[in-house]
Amino acid sequence: GQQLNQSPQSMFIQEGEDVSMNCTSSSIFNTWLWYKQDPGEGPVLLIALYKAGELTSNGRLTAQFGITRKDSFLNISASIPSDVGIYFCAGQLSNTGKLIFGQGTTLQVKP
Amino acid sequence: GAVVSQHPSWVICKSGTSVKIECRSLDFQATTMFWYRQFPKQSLMLMATSNEGSKATYEQGVEKDKFLINHASLTLSTLTVTSAHPEDSSFYICSADARGTGGQYEQYFGPGTRLTVT
Repeated sequence: GQQLNQSPQSMFIQEGEDVSMNCTSSSIFNTWLWYKQDPGEGPVLLIALYKAGELTSNGRLTAQFGITRKDSFLNISASIPSDVGIYFCAGQLSNTGKLIFGQGTTLQVKP
Repeated sequence: GAVVSQHPSWVICKSGTSVKIECRSLDFQATTMFWYRQFPKQSLMLMATSNEGSKATYEQGVEKDKFLINHASLTLSTLTVTSAHPEDSSFYICSADARGTGGQYEQYFGPGTRLTVT
C-alpha cells in the first residue's frame, strides 16, 4: 500500500529557531496537506498544496509541493512555544479523496 | 466556516456494549465523510469512507459488522462500535470535505472522541 515517510520523527528546538520537516512518498499525489494536532484534539489544516512546484505560506509557515509530486516540505520560521504539537503531512488520492498520513513530527519548543 | 463536530468527546463503556459516535458538519453539507482511528503516539489510520445515502466503504482489515457506519443526511455520519472490547479503546476522529478559501476541496477534521472500554 501507499506510505508516506515523514521526517524527522521529533524535534526539540529553542524558541526563535526555524524548523523544517518533510515527507516523501513512493507514489504520486495530486494534493498535499499539512496538519497540526494538539494532544486530545483533531488535526487542524495548516496548508493545502495543489500544484507541483507550488510554494504556499500561511503566516510563519511555508510549504512546498515537490516537482515530482512525491514529496513536500513544511518550514516554520521563528518558532514560538505555541508551535508545540504534532505535525502531519498527508497526500490525498484524487479519485477517492482519501488521505494517506505520514507518521508525524513531534515538535517541542524551549522558551 | 468548515466546522466539524463530534459527540461525545469522550466515552467510557463496559466490554460487550455498543457505543455510537456522531460526526456533524455544522456549516456545510458533506456528501462524503471519513472515519479514522488513532492509537497513542501513532498516526491516523483511515477506517472507512462514509457516503451519504449509500453503504460505507471500509479499508482492508476493518470489520464492517463491528464498526457500523450510517450517513443518513448531508450533515451527519455516525460510527457505532458494536460489542466493544478493550482493544477497541482508541481516539476516533471523523473528517469531511469542504471547499476552502481557494475553491478547492479540503478535508476538515472533528475534535475526536476518546473511547475507553473497560
